[in-house]
Parts: sequence; C-alpha cells; structure tokens
Amino acid sequence: KQEVTQIPAALSVPEGENLVLNCSFTDSAIYNLQWFRQDPGKGLTSLLLIQSSQREQTSGRLNASLDKSSGRSTLYIAASQPGDSATYLCVTSYDKVIFGPGTSLSVIP
Amino acid sequence: GAVVSQHPSRVICKSGTSVKIECRSLDFQATTMFWYRQFPKQSLMLMATSNEGSKATYEQGVEKDKFLINHASLTLSTLTVTSAHPEDSSFYICSARTGKVYGYTFGSGTRLTVV
Repeated sequence: KQEVTQIPAALSVPEGENLVLNCSFTDSAIYNLQWFRQDPGKGLTSLLLIQSSQREQTSGRLNASLDKSSGRSTLYIAASQPGDSATYLCVTSYDKVIFGPGTSLSVIP
Repeated sequence: GAVVSQHPSRVICKSGTSVKIECRSLDFQATTMFWYRQFPKQSLMLMATSNEGSKATYEQGVEKDKFLINHASLTLSTLTVTSAHPEDSSFYICSARTGKVYGYTFGSGTRLTVV
C-alpha cells in the first residue's frame, strides 16, 4: 500500500529565500507524481507533473525532481514570495491517487 | 487545459437533509472520477472511485449508503450526502484523470457545513 510523507509539516521563511520541500513514497510503481498547492478553504492548483520516466520538471520559479528508485521527490521554490504561502501537496498516482499530508508554507514579507 | 467544474462551492444544510454535489468535466470525457474529503488540518482522503456506467468503489470506512455516487455520463459525476449530520461537515473535492499522461485535474471543491 502506497504511503506518502512530506517533510517538513510546516515551514516559515523570509521573503526572497530559496526553499526545498520534500516528499517520500514507499511504492515506486507510479505513473507520475504531481505537486499541488492548496490555498486555505480552496481547491487544488496543479504546479508540476513529473512522469515516471522523467527526472525533473520546471515551471518559472518552481523545480520538481523525482527519484523513483529512492522513493523521493523535491519541490524547489526559488526567491520565495508572500504569494507562495499555501499548503503544498505531493501526490502519487497509479491505480489510485495518494496524497501526502502536505507542507504548510508561510513566506514572511 | 482540462477543467473540472464542481458545484456548489459552499453549502449549508440542516441536519437530516441531503446534499448533492456535482462535478462536470468540461472539455474531456472522464471515465473515472475520484471523490475526496478533507477535515480541518488534515490531508485529503479518498472516499470513492466512480466509474461511468458502473457502481462506485468505496474506500474502507466510507458508508456507501450515506455517500451516494452516480456517474451516469462521461462528463458528470455526483456525490449525494444523505441524512447529513454535523460530523459530515467537511471539504469535498472531486478529480478526474486527464488523458494518456495520467495527470489529474481537480474540481474547486465544496465546503459543506451541516447545522
């Protein structure tokens, strides 16, 4: 049974810092891994999708990596901004979609 | 890109009544729709998997007679919370698998409050 964990659970950084969010999963049999952000009381916004055959994806200030063999993914956020404050979810998919518990990020102006 | 439209976004209902939540795939056919709920400060948890034209598959601990799922067409899946109680108050969200790359698109979610 797939289990997804995320470290840290919460993170507070000053504006402008680069930061890394970590995701670990127990079953390497995945189609892909997605990173989402969730704003309080709202739905999910897809940030990056990495196929199982890929190693990383980039979009603007975001970079996500995937190492299936070790069951790890990282989300790198460069030059953080207050608008980046949200909960970031790591999600694996195979026959089901499994969510990590999320990392709550707060970027302080 | 693929869009899943979910309605209503917020609903307040009295205890004992039923509430229906709709999810529509706007520009693609969703043969499979997933329903999640999220209690405060907790992660999203899969409730059930809805397949077009067949019965939904429920996760362990989810009452199928309480959470009725209908997926009658390739673009519409509904979740009905029957005889709602305050403990059913939660954030409900649907998602659909989009295309061959197996990415997922999510609806905007429904905040249900049972009073």
